[in-house]
Amino acid sequence: GENVEQHPSTLSVQEGDSAVIKCTYSDSASNYFPWYKQELGKRPQLIIDIRSNVGEKKDQRIAVTLNKTAKHFSLHITETQPEDSAVYFCAASGGSNYKLTFGKGTLLTVNP
Amino acid sequence: NAGVTQTPKFRVLKTGQSMTLLCAQDMNHEYMYWYRQDPGMGLRLIHYSVGEGTTAKGEVPDGYNVSRLKKQNFLLGLESAAPSQTSVYFCATCGGSGSYNEQFFGPGTRLTVL
Repeated sequence: GENVEQHPSTLSVQEGDSAVIKCTYSDSASNYFPWYKQELGKRPQLIIDIRSNVGEKKDQRIAVTLNKTAKHFSLHITETQPEDSAVYFCAASGGSNYKLTFGKGTLLTVNP
Repeated sequence: NAGVTQTPKFRVLKTGQSMTLLCAQDMNHEYMYWYRQDPGMGLRLIHYSVGEGTTAKGEVPDGYNVSRLKKQNFLLGLESAAPSQTSVYFCATCGGSGSYNEQFFGPGTRLTVL
């Protein structure tokens, strides 16, 4: 089955700096790669996703890049703000049942 | 529109007790999933359903059973709870139509097994 590795497990940045979280996946058939943000005690919420026919996608301060050849994808957050502090999960999906395999998460702390 | 709801929000069980977690959705989604979340482990898929009357095993199915008698409800059962099942349980749904894969999560159930 699919295996998703996520790094780093913790990331601390100063407000205004950029943050990058990286994930690799094992199944070349995976074609959908979402990123979820989870605040303490809350449910995971989708912040951005990318499909395998696209190399990069941006939404305001966040962007995701995908390298299908190397089987890795990354989340980039620019101009970080304290409210960006949360756990971020990457995931990969392929096939007709839309199952997601998640990475283990990155705790991002943005220091004021 | 309530979206995805879960009942109960919290529960404490003793080892060997049984319970059922309910996930309900009003999004008319075909696909439903049960995950457990443990510190440092991310979200792991327990069981899932691709439509009313169907269920399938995920990554960590042992000790759990599920049923999807109605499209809008997905039940997760623990027949004989063990301390290793202490976790936060999330239900998620997906429309699955066309190429739209987004999963929508419920608020979670925090379960402690003593």
